[in-house]
Amino acid sequence: EVQLVESGGALVQPGGSLRLSCAASGFTFSSFAMSWVRQAPGKGLEWVSGISASGGSTYYADSVKGRFTISRDNSKNTLYLQMNSLRAEDTAVYYCAKVAAAGLGSFDYWGQGTLVTVSS
Amino acid sequence: QLVLTQSPSASASLGASVKLTCTLSSGHSSYAIAWHQQQPEKGPRYLMKVNSDGSHSKGDGIPDRFSGSSSGAERYLTISSLQSEDEADYYCQTWGTGIQVFGGGTKLTVL
Repeated sequence: EVQLVESGGALVQPGGSLRLSCAASGFTFSSFAMSWVRQAPGKGLEWVSGISASGGSTYYADSVKGRFTISRDNSKNTLYLQMNSLRAEDTAVYYCAKVAAAGLGSFDYWGQGTLVTVSS
Repeated sequence: QLVLTQSPSASASLGASVKLTCTLSSGHSSYAIAWHQQQPEKGPRYLMKVNSDGSHSKGDGIPDRFSGSSSGAERYLTISSLQSEDEADYYCQTWGTGIQVFGGGTKLTVL
């Protein structure tokens, strides 16, 4: 059974940093691309960042480019999102999602999400 | 620019059928999309991928009541024999070089 378990969400002050983790199991993690998707309170889904299966290619939404860094450790079956210079508008539930391919493709599994609140 | 457009809301009666639409932006009518369901207070769940030729492949455990189809730049999700648990937000998703895109979502109300 595929499982994606996010952690690391917290209350953080504007300008602060946070690192999210997503522990994956039930599939060959190193064979599939992964992404982070967020959902602000009462809003729709917004893609944040993606990484290829090997980790050699990374992609970012314009809203987080230069502030967030996606990475993965295929030996630990774990996906990460380092978030710096956080803003109030980054407040959201952050989901990790498995891509049904080594590169770009549909998301076929989702985690349960972790809440990030940016507030003073 | 790759954009997906969805109607904000839809409604249908218990036991009836409903067809939700996701429209690809101009120049992108050959793209496949995926449908995701988000029930209240839950995370998203993958339903299916719909190709431009109308073929579709469903996720694990998705009932036969859910089906997908295509026409031109439109991709459809049809839910038949509506049940109360189908009341949810439905999002379409597609992908391009270096990006993933979501539609704004359709809130389905089961009457």
